[in-house]
Amino acid sequence: DAGVTQSPTHLIKTRGQHVTLRCSPISGHKSVSWYQQVLGQGPQFIFQYYEKEERGRGNFPDRFSARQFPNYSSELNVNALLLGDSALYLCASSLGDSPNYGYTFGSGTRLTVV
Amino acid sequence: EDQVTQSPEALRLQEGESSSLNCSYTVSGLRGLFWYRQDPGKGPEFLFTLYSAGEEKEKERLKATLTKKESFLHITAPKPEDSATYLCAVQASSGTYKYIFGTGTRLKVLA
Repeated sequence: DAGVTQSPTHLIKTRGQHVTLRCSPISGHKSVSWYQQVLGQGPQFIFQYYEKEERGRGNFPDRFSARQFPNYSSELNVNALLLGDSALYLCASSLGDSPNYGYTFGSGTRLTVV
Repeated sequence: EDQVTQSPEALRLQEGESSSLNCSYTVSGLRGLFWYRQDPGKGPEFLFTLYSAGEEKEKERLKATLTKKESFLHITAPKPEDSATYLCAVQASSGTYKYIFGTGTRLKVLA
């Protein structure tokens, strides 16, 4: 079975631009979460979606938004990019909303803002 | 505030030299504690979930243990392929289902 798939793998954007990152969860997984990982740090929670509803939002500005589609894939959108948004963006999926289901992470999208 | 602290930040071991990584946590009710391995430029790879104090899990050369305040990841007779960053995360029993990660321990095993 395919794992969590993220696209693109690498991206370079200019300050002020907008970016859309995409995530396809493992087949059958209904929950998708997004994390930001700055170099040398642990991942920071951005959003969680389950059954197309937002279940949680981390301490990120409103420039960050996300959505989950009927096929459970997800998009993360970031507007008005800042240099500090440069990071590895990770998508994780799980079977359900229960804490008993662990997260499987994708390989991430490396975003560089110049 | 829920928090995870990992130590040491970095660790260099000779092949076969056993050691332990520490994860101290403060959380308002622990739903689960998770260990992940992360290779450079890759996403975290799941290793273990621990739910309650006294619980232990093993996988090959790795053994994870849990107390009410901390978790240890014991690495027995490590090999160079065990070199990676090891991340600890907790999930609180209230609020969102987010994981709170530590900053990780960078492990380098020398041949």
